[in-house]
Amino acid sequence: DQQVKQNSPSLSVQEGRISILNCDYTNSMFDYFLWYKKYPAEGPTFLISISSIKDKNEDGRFTVFLNKSAKHLSLHIVPSQPGDSAVYFCAATPFDTGRRALTFGSGTRLQVQP
Amino acid sequence: DAGVTQSPTHLIKTRGQHVTLRCSPISGHKSVSWYQQVLGQGPQFIFQYYEKEERGRGNFPDRFSARQFPNYSSELNVNALLLGDSALYLCASSWTQGAGTTSYEQYFGPGTRLTVT
Repeated sequence: DQQVKQNSPSLSVQEGRISILNCDYTNSMFDYFLWYKKYPAEGPTFLISISSIKDKNEDGRFTVFLNKSAKHLSLHIVPSQPGDSAVYFCAATPFDTGRRALTFGSGTRLQVQP
Repeated sequence: DAGVTQSPTHLIKTRGQHVTLRCSPISGHKSVSWYQQVLGQGPQFIFQYYEKEERGRGNFPDRFSARQFPNYSSELNVNALLLGDSALYLCASSWTQGAGTTSYEQYFGPGTRLTVT
């Protein structure tokens, strides 16, 4: 039972254009969401996060949108650069004062073409 | 500042053997979590430790165990290895947010690639 789903295994975008990566979740207890980027032979790198009390969070070229009613979030990268080529993971966790267990999607491989 | 470090980088073991993986968190971080990433999937939560106490455990068999030391480093132990244990094992650390809670954001090490033959 996949609680976090990334239905697009791969995405190809031209340099300078917008990349949109999507993520859906089923567990209504999730209230904090994160995006990670992973290069081969490295661990995931934290990119940006959003709390369920917000619907948008922006950090430089990266913006995350959250639609709670649809249980959907997306990561926008503008403008896309060749160095953004990596696997992107969406992750979610419920509110809990003690435990922090991230549930990850299966990832989307982004290829930015020069 | 050094990030999360893990050792060894790669490991090859035989079915039935035991393995110990090690992790040092970012300086100042008191929480360490372990994840297993199988090829083609996202990381899956195994354990979280905070101040040497287990805070959470994922859906893994009792063959998996972990501990955290006074310097906040951690070990993951896996007994009676199976072929299906072949995976990338990731360690992540997080900072204390206040009143015994840790940040949602976790910072990952490069992982240990375990191959079981």
